[in-house]
Amino acid sequence: SQTIHQWPATLVQPVGSPLSLECTVEGTSNPNLYWYRQAAGRGLQLLFYSVGIGQISSEVPQNLSASRPQDRQFILSSKKLLLSDSGFYLCAWSVGLASTGELFFGEGSRLTVL
Amino acid sequence: AQTVTQSQPEMSVQEAETVTLSCTYDTSESNYYLFWYKQPPSRQMILVIRQEAYKQQNATENRFSVNFQKAAKSFSLKISDSQLGDTAMYFCAFIPNSGNTPLVFGKGTRLSVIA
Repeated sequence: SQTIHQWPATLVQPVGSPLSLECTVEGTSNPNLYWYRQAAGRGLQLLFYSVGIGQISSEVPQNLSASRPQDRQFILSSKKLLLSDSGFYLCAWSVGLASTGELFFGEGSRLTVL
Repeated sequence: AQTVTQSQPEMSVQEAETVTLSCTYDTSESNYYLFWYKQPPSRQMILVIRQEAYKQQNATENRFSVNFQKAAKSFSLKISDSQLGDTAMYFCAFIPNSGNTPLVFGKGTRLSVIA
């Protein structure tokens, strides 16, 4: 069966520090991968998605970036965090560009920028 | 651009009662999928129910059912016999069948089931 893992689960970082959140999927090949951010009252905001290794689509201009160094690995990064980067980050995967629509989500990473 | 609107930020329901969560969407696509996702306090998001736009019959999954009104672009979720474990954030989501864009989510409705 397929599983998705993301870490760390909780992170407290000072403003201006770097960020790296990692997500890996097991049990499937060539998944589509996604990073969402969830902020209170703003629902789920799609940040990045990837349909293959090295292919990243950015949905929102910001100081975050994403990379996909391996087929089942998706990394969210920042060189210098802002206070506004605080939030709950969710990684997800799907088969194809969600032709049937179902996304499978990780457990999330809570980021607090102080 | 497609948009999904959930007009009820918070709702509550007594245990064993029925509750309906509202969702409307805007699209020019003719064929698409609609979803309700549930995010319990433990935070892992799971799919509750899915509706294909070309199917007129409303989808049902045990105590969960939808009222899909394509002309009105409305997609509400009905939870019957509410249970304490139904307490969660519920997100409505949309994706066109063309497969060119990822899933679009609404802002969510926080449902509390009260004993």
